[in-house]
Amino acid sequence: EAQVTQNPRYLITVTGKKLTVTCSQNMNHEYMSWYRQDPGLGLRQIYYSMNVEVTDKGDVPEGYKVSRKEKRNFPLILESPSPNQTSLYFCASSTRQGRGAFFGQGTRLTVV
Amino acid sequence: QQQVKQSPQSLIVQKGGISIINCAYENTAFDYFPWYQQFPGKGPALLIAIRPDVSEKKEGRFTISFNKSAKQFSLHIMDSQPGDSATYFCAAGAHGANNLFFGTGTRLTVIP
Repeated sequence: EAQVTQNPRYLITVTGKKLTVTCSQNMNHEYMSWYRQDPGLGLRQIYYSMNVEVTDKGDVPEGYKVSRKEKRNFPLILESPSPNQTSLYFCASSTRQGRGAFFGQGTRLTVV
Repeated sequence: QQQVKQSPQSLIVQKGGISIINCAYENTAFDYFPWYQQFPGKGPALLIAIRPDVSEKKEGRFTISFNKSAKQFSLHIMDSQPGDSATYFCAAGAHGANNLFFGTGTRLTVIP
């Protein structure tokens, strides 16, 4: 079954404690992205990657890092989380041909 | 600044009625316009997408109407059903499905 898998689904952490949200896809897609979803703001892109070792900033990259060492994985790293990063996060992947992105189930992060 | 403006924020429609959601954009470099459907606790799922070389695309009960000169596009759901109750996002992208800009979402409720 084609899917994008995020872990964890839920996470509560404290300000300043580094965390990583993992994302893995099994569709051999070149493109992967991270979005955050906030009420009234829709989904905003954090970072995207066009292939292994190729990443670029999206709309709201401040406070986030990503890496793409393998084609299937695209982890999101928060080096020093702050309360304003409390949000619902989605990972997505798509083909080079630009067919619609597949989204993961989401990770609800709360930073206290 | 919101690259894609979506309205209404919420919509209540009687079963069997037509649901209409509208989106507008400014960036003429956009060449891909998908609509996503999101159920509570799930990630967005691609519903239907259109490219600017056509004015309309229909898939089952779902139709996208596209007006290139007005830089507007809309989703029409014919014969709306309670199972269509979800949040709908329009989006636009300049390079296929990657680097998408999303609208703020419309919460649709179809009442029996």
